[in-house]
Amino acid sequence: GENVEQHPSTLSVQEGDSAVIKCTYSDSASNYFPWYKQELGKGPQLIIDIRSNVGEKKDQRIAVTLNKTAKHFSLHITETQPEDSAVYFCAATGGQNFVFGPGTRLSVLP
Amino acid sequence: SQTIHQWPATLVQPVGSPLSLECTVEGTSNPNLYWYRQAAGRGLQLLFYSVGIGQISSEVPQNLSASRPQDRQFILSSKKLLLSDSGFYLCAWSVQRVAFFGQGTRLTVV
Repeated sequence: GENVEQHPSTLSVQEGDSAVIKCTYSDSASNYFPWYKQELGKGPQLIIDIRSNVGEKKDQRIAVTLNKTAKHFSLHITETQPEDSAVYFCAATGGQNFVFGPGTRLSVLP
Repeated sequence: SQTIHQWPATLVQPVGSPLSLECTVEGTSNPNLYWYRQAAGRGLQLLFYSVGIGQISSEVPQNLSASRPQDRQFILSSKKLLLSDSGFYLCAWSVQRVAFFGQGTRLTVV
């Protein structure tokens, strides 16, 4: 079955700097890769996603890149703000089930 | 637009008592539905998923069960709660592989 790894587990950046979170997956059949942001005590919120026929997708300060050959994808947040502080999860799916990474706790320091 | 309702938001139950958590989705038809559990500071563990009414797949053998009596209703149950059932329970729905989460139920078994 699919296995998703995520690094780093914690990340601290200064406000205004960029943050990068990386995930790797094992199943070459996976073709959809979403990213979720979870704030304390709330459910995960979908922030960006990418399908396997695209190498990069951008939405304002957030971008995701996908390397199918290497089976890894990354989340890039530019010009970080304190409200970006949260836990971020990547996921992969090729069918009905989503396999999530263990999460990255991002802290943006003012 | 689609919305997901999950209740209650918090629940404190004694060991050995029954459990019923309900999740309903509005604005979509025939969604895939999911129950996840999240231990404190941990990732998302898939408990059950359903692709249609009465169709339940269990990912982890445990003290819990799930039912889908209507297209947009998903129920998580237990006959007798254990201390280890404490956690943050999340309902999610997906259509065409894009998944959205509810706000979660914080269950504490005492």
